[in-house]
Amino acid sequence: GIQVEQSPPDLILQEGANSTLRCNFSDSVNNLQWFHQNPWGQLINLFYIPSGTKQNGRLSATTVATERYSLLYISSSQTTDSGVYFCAVDRGGKLIFGQGTELSVKP
Amino acid sequence: EAQVTQNPRYLITVTGKKLTVTCSQNMNHEYMSWYRQDPGLGLRQIYYSMNVEVTDKGDVPEGYKVSRKEKRNFPLILESPSPNQTSLYFCASSLSAGELFFGEGSRLTVL
Repeated sequence: GIQVEQSPPDLILQEGANSTLRCNFSDSVNNLQWFHQNPWGQLINLFYIPSGTKQNGRLSATTVATERYSLLYISSSQTTDSGVYFCAVDRGGKLIFGQGTELSVKP
Repeated sequence: EAQVTQNPRYLITVTGKKLTVTCSQNMNHEYMSWYRQDPGLGLRQIYYSMNVEVTDKGDVPEGYKVSRKEKRNFPLILESPSPNQTSLYFCASSLSAGELFFGEGSRLTVL
């Protein structure tokens, strides 16, 4: 089946720093989404991005479907950005998640 | 308020005692799905439903059943729970497999 790999697995940042998270997938997909799981366990959709670039405040995402990867950019990080970031790819309703990137932002 | 509601949020049960985790959404979404989250294994899809009366297996369907009799509800049934089903469970919904909205999670412990 399709493989979804995220990197890095862990990341520690000082508040105010920028970061880039990567999601690689091994086959063509219908769409790709990015999620943030906060320290209380809630999963929040950040981007629905099958291709192209989207921005939402300090966060932006780019998916290059032909090269099978997506990037999530976090600028001017804040302590509230801490948590785990997941990407997930959709193959006709079947979703496959990456293992996540655990981000810790220090004040 | 648009939301996905799961119940119960926490449950401790014993091996073999049938249980149902309910999931309801008020956004008129066609697509609903269930996931389990385990340390080191991430999120894995159990079952999904593209619409009423249509359900399909995800990656880890063994030991679970689902039904989709109404658009808003998608219960997860554990007919004979076992300790390896101890996990954090999430229900989610979307408009035609688009942007996914998650419930708050149900933490299940099977003794």
